[in-house]
Amino acid sequence: GAGVSQSPSNKVTEKGKDVELRCDPISGHTALYWYRQRLGQGLEFLIYFQGNSAPDKSGLPSDRFSAERTGESVSTLTIQRTQQEDSAVYLCASSLELLYEQYFGPGTRLTVT
Amino acid sequence: AQKITQTQPGMFVQEKEAVTLDCTYDTSDQSYGLFWYKQPSSGEMIFLIYQGSYDEQNATEGRYSLNFQKARKSANLVISASQLGDSAMYFCAMRERYSSASKIIFGSGTRLSIRP
Repeated sequence: GAGVSQSPSNKVTEKGKDVELRCDPISGHTALYWYRQRLGQGLEFLIYFQGNSAPDKSGLPSDRFSAERTGESVSTLTIQRTQQEDSAVYLCASSLELLYEQYFGPGTRLTVT
Repeated sequence: AQKITQTQPGMFVQEKEAVTLDCTYDTSDQSYGLFWYKQPSSGEMIFLIYQGSYDEQNATEGRYSLNFQKARKSANLVISASQLGDSAMYFCAMRERYSSASKIIFGSGTRLSIRP
């Protein structure tokens, strides 16, 4: 079956512009996660969705970041008024439920110029 | 305070040798899960192995095993008979089930390089 997919794979944007990143989780996975990975660093948790529960937004670094998920399917991560420090790879993962292993997408490499 | 600590930023190991990657964690929850992921230079994150806090036996998956010492709060990854393709970043992660923070926490990673 299909794995987690993300689009676009690469995004170059000018400082101050808004960007939307998309994640399609594995079908049937109730949990969906977003992470940020800066060059040469580990993963930084941003947000997760679990079924119909309120999302855990505790990792979002500022109010410029927001994410939505439609039911148990597609999620979009939106970064408004991008800054150069937002440049990173944004990884999405899904899992069958919490505490189960996460399957990662290939990531979106965001470059803010 | 660090929730997941990986004290080895980089390691070099001879091919075919076994290697242990260290991971210690900090939690007050009784129910949690521990994971190891591999990230090759291509960037994808590959799930390797999972250990539940209530699992009595150490998890094993092929050449990977997790040396789980609950009292010491350590979850070291052991790779037996290392191969050149094992060269990658390795991340230890923890999920606390009942934490108010409720999030997956990753360590800073260990870069493993296998020498031929």
